[in-house]
Amino acid sequence: LAKTTQPISMDSYEGQEVNITCSHNNIATNDYITWYQQFPSQGPRFIIQGYKTKVTNEVASLFIPADRKSSTLSLPRVSLSDTAVYYCLVGPGGGADGLTFGKGTHLIIQP
Amino acid sequence: GAVVSQHPSWVICKSGTSVKIECRSLDFQATTMFWYRQFPKQSLMLMATSNEGSKATYEQGVEKDKFLINHASLTLSTLTVTSAHPEDSSFYICSASRQFSYEQYFGPGTRLTVT
Repeated sequence: LAKTTQPISMDSYEGQEVNITCSHNNIATNDYITWYQQFPSQGPRFIIQGYKTKVTNEVASLFIPADRKSSTLSLPRVSLSDTAVYYCLVGPGGGADGLTFGKGTHLIIQP
Repeated sequence: GAVVSQHPSWVICKSGTSVKIECRSLDFQATTMFWYRQFPKQSLMLMATSNEGSKATYEQGVEKDKFLINHASLTLSTLTVTSAHPEDSSFYICSASRQFSYEQYFGPGTRLTVT
């Protein structure tokens, strides 16, 4: 499985756009990029998944350059409730495989 | 839709006893269920993968005789921590996936404390 590298922590303020970048230099051709959010003492929650270019849903956008060696999760207009750990995962993308979580990025939103 | 529950949400047990944790998919049939463990301030670690009606597949380093997994139906998987010790104290999280879906749906987790 491709290893991922993310910043350990990030700080931002309410109303700002937050971009979290993940490096995955060894991504395989059939790998997808998936982001999860986890609040303390809760299970992770799926945010978004993509393969290439840009994906957008009601919560976030995911930008993937042509070489797919990195990806950026973009959270528009964050609020205090967006304070959480965000995990970038790279893998086949199917629900039949267990997920390999890296260390994640602890995002702290301040008022 | 796609809700996964766990029971109990927290449990305290004495060293040497066994504890069973249930994971249920409430509104869908889960073809595969997964069990993860998370120690404080660490990431989730996959323990095992289970498919309904078959034996679970354990990750390297996870003792199958200590962490018994039963996946008797498409909506229920159980994890039994046998002869629990303080080092087994952790946050246990299950997830479930359904056929033709790339998303895993996670339960709320179970906090196990072994005294």
